[in-house]
Amino acid sequence: IAGITQAPTSQILAAGRRMTLRCTQDMRHNAMYWYRQDLGLGLRLIHYSNTAGTTGKGEVPDGYSVSRANTDDFPLTLASAVPSQTSVYFCASSNSMADTQYFGPGTRLTVL
Amino acid sequence: AQSVSQHNHHVILSEAASLELGCNYSYGGTVNLFWYVQYPGQHLQLLLKYFSGDPLVKGIKGFEAEFIKSKFSFNLRKPSVQWSDTAEYFCAVNPIHGAGKSTFGDGTTLTVKP
Repeated sequence: IAGITQAPTSQILAAGRRMTLRCTQDMRHNAMYWYRQDLGLGLRLIHYSNTAGTTGKGEVPDGYSVSRANTDDFPLTLASAVPSQTSVYFCASSNSMADTQYFGPGTRLTVL
Repeated sequence: AQSVSQHNHHVILSEAASLELGCNYSYGGTVNLFWYVQYPGQHLQLLLKYFSGDPLVKGIKGFEAEFIKSKFSFNLRKPSVQWSDTAEYFCAVNPIHGAGKSTFGDGTTLTVKP
């Protein structure tokens, strides 16, 4: 069982470019999440999805969008990347919103 | 909205020393409580959790945490740390009801000197 996979592992991106970070889980979890991790700021929730077909905004949603067309996939899109979006991005999933979250390996994104 | 406060940003200990990391939360309803650990270069993984029942919960690698409802606290403890415990530790709170989302503390970096 792979758990959660994320792609790419790392990416350097020019400002203004569009970028989609991919996340796939094979645990049939209902809920999925995107976090960014920045030094000294811990984990901040970007967007989440309670179940396939629904999404919601987290603490820092501006500049990001998500979709949840099916149970397994939860891509995160940066429509026009800015340097402040340089971060490590973690995808996670859980059986329910109140339950233990399982994290992917992360994507290190650098926006120049 | 809930919030989570971790009191120590960086803790440095020698091997065999005892560890206690503080975590306090604010939320008006019932919550599930978690400690996650992130070893260097790795993703977060569950250390232990409290949902209900005995407020003293035990996790992996000898860690334990105590939920004190009256203090809104969920402190993490280990009687004797090892060099391999060097990691970042995150406390997290998940509301049980409503549309509440999980909230993580800012994390505590633990460095254990051999």
